Amino acid sequence: AQKITQTQPGMFVQEKEAVTLDCTYDTSDPSYGLFWYKQPSSGEMIFLIYQGSYDQQNATEGRYSLNFQKARKSANLVISASQLGDSAMYFCAMREPNSGYSTLTFGKGTMLLVSP
Amino acid sequence: DVKVTQSSRYLVKRTGEKVFLECVQDMDHENMFWYRQDPGLGLRLIYFSYDVKMKEKGDIPEGYSVSREKKERFSLILESASTNQTSMYLCASSLGGTLEQPQHFGDGTRLSIL
Repeated sequence: AQKITQTQPGMFVQEKEAVTLDCTYDTSDPSYGLFWYKQPSSGEMIFLIYQGSYDQQNATEGRYSLNFQKARKSANLVISASQLGDSAMYFCAMREPNSGYSTLTFGKGTMLLVSP
Repeated sequence: DVKVTQSSRYLVKRTGEKVFLECVQDMDHENMFWYRQDPGLGLRLIYFSYDVKMKEKGDIPEGYSVSREKKERFSLILESASTNQTSMYLCASSLGGTLEQPQHFGDGTRLSIL
């Protein structure tokens, strides 16, 4: 079974609108961390936001927020007021303490296209 | 800011060549990682290292080896390059020991094997 599932291969959104990118995960460990990364066409992976399994509040970083629903094992990324520069691939990733040495497991990604 | 530098953005090599991909980080991170990225497959871990001279196989180590002689440098080696190793290669580093430390990535190397 996949550890990280991103069901949307691609998403379209108009500039200034909000968009939600889905991520579900599978773990039996009560302690884990969830990450979102952005990869523009230039190739570099940019860390966006982190959510710990024991965090009481949903993580936020500027226009990025994480809709964390622990019981559903989902960690959806919400981008508010989309900008043209948000067009990129977005990856959800998970770290489990028993995975060893800080490795991350990545989903297959969602391509976001923002139109004017 | 953490800086992870990969030696080449684009590289073209021939089948059978020995290929070296170099990665350097400037933040004294314990952990370093090599991934390959292919369309529709996401990022797959090739090898990682948690200390100098230490290495662990990831999910797809076949056809690759690594070297970590200094803490800041992690090299990926294709012993005898083949066309199915044409891919985007990403290096990353992170602090160890806690859940919340993100991995920091280099700009990637697009490798073509002809």
